[in-house]
Amino acid sequence: AQKVTQAQTEISVVEKEDVTLDCVYETRDTTYYLFWYKQPPSGELVFLIRRNSFDEQNEISGRYSWNFQKSTSSFNFTITASQVVDSAVYFCALSPDSNYQLIWGAGTKLIIKP
Amino acid sequence: NAGVTQTPKFQVLKTGQSMTLQCAQDMNHEYMSWYRQDPGMGLRLIHYSVGAGITDQGEVPNGYNVSRSTTEDFPLRLLSAAPSQTSVYFCASSRESGDEQYFGPGTRLTVT
Repeated sequence: AQKVTQAQTEISVVEKEDVTLDCVYETRDTTYYLFWYKQPPSGELVFLIRRNSFDEQNEISGRYSWNFQKSTSSFNFTITASQVVDSAVYFCALSPDSNYQLIWGAGTKLIIKP
Repeated sequence: NAGVTQTPKFQVLKTGQSMTLQCAQDMNHEYMSWYRQDPGMGLRLIHYSVGAGITDQGEVPNGYNVSRSTTEDFPLRLLSAAPSQTSVYFCASSRESGDEQYFGPGTRLTVT
């Protein structure tokens, strides 16, 4: 089965706190791609990161960082020193190499309170 | 460079009506796809295309048709609208499958 699970439906934190969004995936493919997208209240979908299955290095981009662990099939996303503008729904997605489909998690709604 | 464009932005249909949601991209991308997004759920793939003349079904294809006569355009047809098709529809494109997808702004469809 190919599946993405985002177990946290909603997270609420106070501004400046760090927050981690969890993503667990399932696939039998050895080659696959993992993504994170952001959907702010305005509704558009914003690409954040793409990672291929052969690259387990952690990635940092400003206040955002991603931890990819194949051993636990996880691709977690951390926001450091959160800001109100980070409030959005965040989606994790999987693209197995054996098909042409992007499989999405249900999303985590992140609320940052001032 | 407009990216991915979708029309209309909003649409209200009566049950049984048909309509076409338009999607176009100007990035010469081979891969295009249609998703629907329902409250509390992730995006679900309706149909996709890996190039002009080639289309295939995704997770939820029933009630929808697509065609891809050109690289740029990928219209989605609702054959006979049902209230269960009330949703937000997103079109996306990428250079190829597995690449970053670029999304259109979405179409909010209500079927009464």
